[in-house]
Amino acid sequence: GAGVSQSPSNKVTEKGKDVELRCDPISGHTALYWYRQSLGQGLEFLIYFQGNSAPDKSGLPSDRFSAERTGGSVSTLTIQRTQQEDSAVYLCASSASGQTSGANVLTFGAGSRLTVL
Amino acid sequence: RKEVEQDPGPFNVPEGATVAFNCTYSNSASQSFFWYRQDCRKEPKLLMSVYSSGNEDGRFTAQLNRASQYISLLIRDSKLSDSATYLCVVKRGGYNKLIFGAGTRLAVHP
Repeated sequence: GAGVSQSPSNKVTEKGKDVELRCDPISGHTALYWYRQSLGQGLEFLIYFQGNSAPDKSGLPSDRFSAERTGGSVSTLTIQRTQQEDSAVYLCASSASGQTSGANVLTFGAGSRLTVL
Repeated sequence: RKEVEQDPGPFNVPEGATVAFNCTYSNSASQSFFWYRQDCRKEPKLLMSVYSSGNEDGRFTAQLNRASQYISLLIRDSKLSDSATYLCVVKRGGYNKLIFGAGTRLAVHP
């Protein structure tokens, strides 16, 4: 597609429920990232995919968080048993890979705003 | 200590002013550096890369000091439309992990 698409744009859920966030990267971008941004805070790195594998998942806050990517394209971020502190905007970004200059440029989606009541 | 540190601001300046933002990074293995811009309730977008020799893009000038692990962004002749949060971004070597600073907020007023 023309840009990075994320869904849902807004999600309100009750504490303890599971949520699934989806990211559809730019066509041809092999690198995909998930970041989290809490209100008034900077971006917190969660996980990075190169193709379908995740060489760096060091930012996932706990084992309640997991992510997968299939077909080198769409990625889903799953949060199990949500807690109030999970409330944030979850941003997905994609980039070209390899040694090209494009590998350094992240294009972000508009984000999924999660509110846990 | 955070890997990328920025003064959070806000910087409140009149139109036409020159304003400078600073950023420091702690990982000496960092290889690439960028400034991203984030408008209120929007996603971040690349403003410019930062090269060792310094680089300019219109009213924006970015500089890097590897010895001091310090990056700067200078905005000349500020416009109302420059009001945003400016994010300092550092890429570690090895793979494409970009670390974002918390951002510096700029408000340009008439």
